[in-house]
Amino acid sequence: KQEVTQIPAALSVPEGENLVLNCSFTDSAIYNLQWFRQDPGKGLTSLLLIQSSQREQTSGRLNASLDKSSGRSTLYIAASQPGDSATYLCAGAVDAGNMLTFGGGTRLMVKP
Amino acid sequence: GAVVSQHPSWVICKSGTSVKIECRSLDFQATTMFWYRQFPKQSLMLMATSNEGSKATYEQGVEKDKFLINHASLTLSTLTVTSAHPEDSSFYICSARWGGSNSPLHFGNGTRLTVT
Repeated sequence: KQEVTQIPAALSVPEGENLVLNCSFTDSAIYNLQWFRQDPGKGLTSLLLIQSSQREQTSGRLNASLDKSSGRSTLYIAASQPGDSATYLCAGAVDAGNMLTFGGGTRLMVKP
Repeated sequence: GAVVSQHPSWVICKSGTSVKIECRSLDFQATTMFWYRQFPKQSLMLMATSNEGSKATYEQGVEKDKFLINHASLTLSTLTVTSAHPEDSSFYICSARWGGSNSPLHFGNGTRLTVT
């Protein structure tokens, strides 16, 4: 059974800082891994999707990496802004059915 | 981009009543939709997989007779919480996939259910 863990659970940084969010998973036979953003009381916004054959994906100030052998993924946020404050969730799919297993999330606060 | 609409965004109901939540894919056809539940300060837990034209597949521990899922068309799935109890109070989120199996899942904005 796939288990997904995110560290840290909460993070507070000053504006402009580069930061890394960590995600680890137990089953290396991962089909894809997806990073989401969730604002309080809202649904999820998909940020990046990394297929098992890929090592990283980039979108704007975001870069996500995937290392299947070590069971890890990281989300790198460059030049953080207060608007980046949210909970970031990673989720892994073990097959094409896209049934996701979510990590507990990292609550990010970027202070002006 | 793909849009998933969920309605209502919040609902308060009395214990014992039933509540229906709708999930629509607005600009694409979704053969499969997923329903998640999120308790405060916890991550999302998959409840069931909704397949158009067939019965939903429920995760272990989720009562199918309590959480009725209907996926009658390629753009609409509904979740009905029957005989709701206060412990059913939660945040319910649906998701759907736009494109093939390598496409990301897109989520609705969720429904906050409070049972009094």
